[in-house]
Amino acid sequence: KAGVTQTPRYLIKTRGQQVTLSCSPISGHRSVSWYQQTPGQGLQFLFEYFSETQRNKGNFPGRFSGRQFSNSRSEMNVSTLELGDSALYLCASSFSTDSDTQYFGPGTRLTVL
Amino acid sequence: GENVEQHPSTLSVQEGDSAVIKCTYSDSASNYFPWYKQELGKRPQLIIDIRSNVGEKKDQRIAVTLNKTAKHFSLHITETQPEDSAVYFCAASKGGLTGGGNKLTFGTGTQLKVEL
Repeated sequence: KAGVTQTPRYLIKTRGQQVTLSCSPISGHRSVSWYQQTPGQGLQFLFEYFSETQRNKGNFPGRFSGRQFSNSRSEMNVSTLELGDSALYLCASSFSTDSDTQYFGPGTRLTVL
Repeated sequence: GENVEQHPSTLSVQEGDSAVIKCTYSDSASNYFPWYKQELGKRPQLIIDIRSNVGEKKDQRIAVTLNKTAKHFSLHITETQPEDSAVYFCAASKGGLTGGGNKLTFGTGTQLKVEL
């Protein structure tokens, strides 16, 4: 089975722009969670989508949003980028949404200038 | 919300020695505790996990123990090898009836260095 994939792998944006990141889960998995990883804050949960519905949301501003499509692929969007949004954005997929085992993608490295 | 503390932040051991990393969690409703290994520039990889109905789980050189009363869980690596060098993260989640879904709260990570 193919693993979790994320595109693009690297992005450079400037402040004020918006960005969309994509995640394709493992085939058959219906849950996709997003995490932000930074040296200062570590790994922080953004949100989880299951069967096209947002299941959980972390403590991030409304500039961070996401969605999930019928094929379980998920996108996250960050609007009005700030310098502090520079981070590695990881998605993780799992079969169900009940403390299920999560498998991470390689991440998208976002740099905001 | 849930808070997970992880110690130590760095750990240096000699090849062949054992390594122990400890985590404590604050929410007694947490019921799932995975450990991830992240090598530089790579994705976090699940190495072992334990659920709240189990006290200990072992997979070859890796073991995890859980003390629900103390809200404490630990990762044990025996016979360490240079390829064990990486950052290790503990995490906790509370799915099921508490509605936590798959949200993982991570510890701050432990940089393990295995020296020859």
